[in-house]
Amino acid sequence: AQSVAQPEDQVNVAEGNPLTVKCTYSVSGNPYLFWYVQYPNRGLQFLLKYITGDNLVKGSYGFEAEFNKSQTSFHLKKPSALVSDSALYFCAVRAYSGGYQKVTFGTGTKLQVIP
Amino acid sequence: DGGITQSPKYLFRKEGQNVTLSCEQNLNHDAMYWYRQDPGQGLRLIYYSQIVNDFQKGDIAEGYSVSREKKESFPLTVTSAQKNPTAFYLCATRQGVGEQFFGPGTRLTVL
Repeated sequence: AQSVAQPEDQVNVAEGNPLTVKCTYSVSGNPYLFWYVQYPNRGLQFLLKYITGDNLVKGSYGFEAEFNKSQTSFHLKKPSALVSDSALYFCAVRAYSGGYQKVTFGTGTKLQVIP
Repeated sequence: DGGITQSPKYLFRKEGQNVTLSCEQNLNHDAMYWYRQDPGQGLRLIYYSQIVNDFQKGDIAEGYSVSREKKESFPLTVTSAQKNPTAFYLCATRQGVGEQFFGPGTRLTVL
């Protein structure tokens, strides 16, 4: 079965410090991996994706993520956190399952950037 | 949220009522999805449609129904058979192998 784990419900980081939001996945076959951000009472916004190619993916607002096949991880990172980065972050994986592309989301990690 | 509209933004349902949530897109995307979001549970797939006049059940389809008569529209009906419908509902679209695009959501509350 396909699954995504975001082991931390909440991550706190001081403004200006680097941040990491963790994501691990389990699929059969090659995964497509995504990060989305959600602000309160809003829809999800796309940040970045890994489809193929370079393992280090750069996305919107200075975020990046590294695809690590051996560790089945796709952690989200940013060198210097901003207060405005405080939001709910979702990791998602898409892969073929039963003949169609199935998308599975993690449970989300709340990022709190402290001024 | 651009390109996908969901209405209404807030919806209140009495016990035993069916209600319909609207999702319209102008992105010309083939695939459309409905998700339910509850606190601490992430997004759970209700229904999806890869093409007009075709749709498939997701992980939690019981108590919900959909139609896909037009490419740009994918309405979701929450029936009285759904025992705990209070949640935030998100519509999304996708084209090709890329990311999904999400609407702004509808918050449904059962009175």
